[in-house]
Amino acid sequence: AQSVTQPDIHITVSEGASLELRCNYSYGATPYLFWYVQSPGQGLQLLLKYFSGDTLVQGIKGFEAEFKRSQSSFNLRKPSVHWSDAAEYFCAVGAPTGGGADGLTFGKGTHLIIQP
Amino acid sequence: NAGVTQTPKFRILKIGQSMTLQCTQDMNHNYMYWYRQDPGMGLKLIYYSVGAGITDKGEVPNGYNVSRSTTEDFPLRLELAAPSQTSVYFCASSYPGGRKTQYFGPGTRLLVL
Repeated sequence: AQSVTQPDIHITVSEGASLELRCNYSYGATPYLFWYVQSPGQGLQLLLKYFSGDTLVQGIKGFEAEFKRSQSSFNLRKPSVHWSDAAEYFCAVGAPTGGGADGLTFGKGTHLIIQP
Repeated sequence: NAGVTQTPKFRILKIGQSMTLQCTQDMNHNYMYWYRQDPGMGLKLIYYSVGAGITDKGEVPNGYNVSRSTTEDFPLRLELAAPSQTSVYFCASSYPGGRKTQYFGPGTRLLVL
């Protein structure tokens, strides 16, 4: 079974500074990889996804993520954060089998705080 | 396109009461899911469905039931509410070929007292 680890429960970043959120996964092959963002009281919004190919993927809101097979990681980055980026961020993996029917496995989330 | 909608947004239940959480999607997606989110625990899959009339258990199905009579709707039923079911519930949908890309509703916050 797959698992996802987000090592940082909370991260505080100054507005305008760069951001990196860590995600490590455990799976026997390369899974489908996702980052979702959840603003307070809201549902989950898809930021970006990786299936195969180019290991650097671009998403919405200026986010990008890099897949590193050797490290089983899929870290999320943003060069300059804005106060509106304060939210909960979830990394998720899906097995590339089963026809897409079964669900995703989520990490426990990283709470991002933006300092003025 | 409304996407995935959920009702109600918030509900307080007494122990032992029952209720149905509603989920509807207008994207004609075959696959639908129910997750629960507890603080600091991420999301856990309760049930999922690959199409009308077909459902299957996820990681934490105990205490819940589902049905899928149409492509659009996937209600989640709590028969005997317990405090352990206090959580935020999210419905999501996906489609064949979507490689498990899931689209989420806004959630239902449930408090069992």
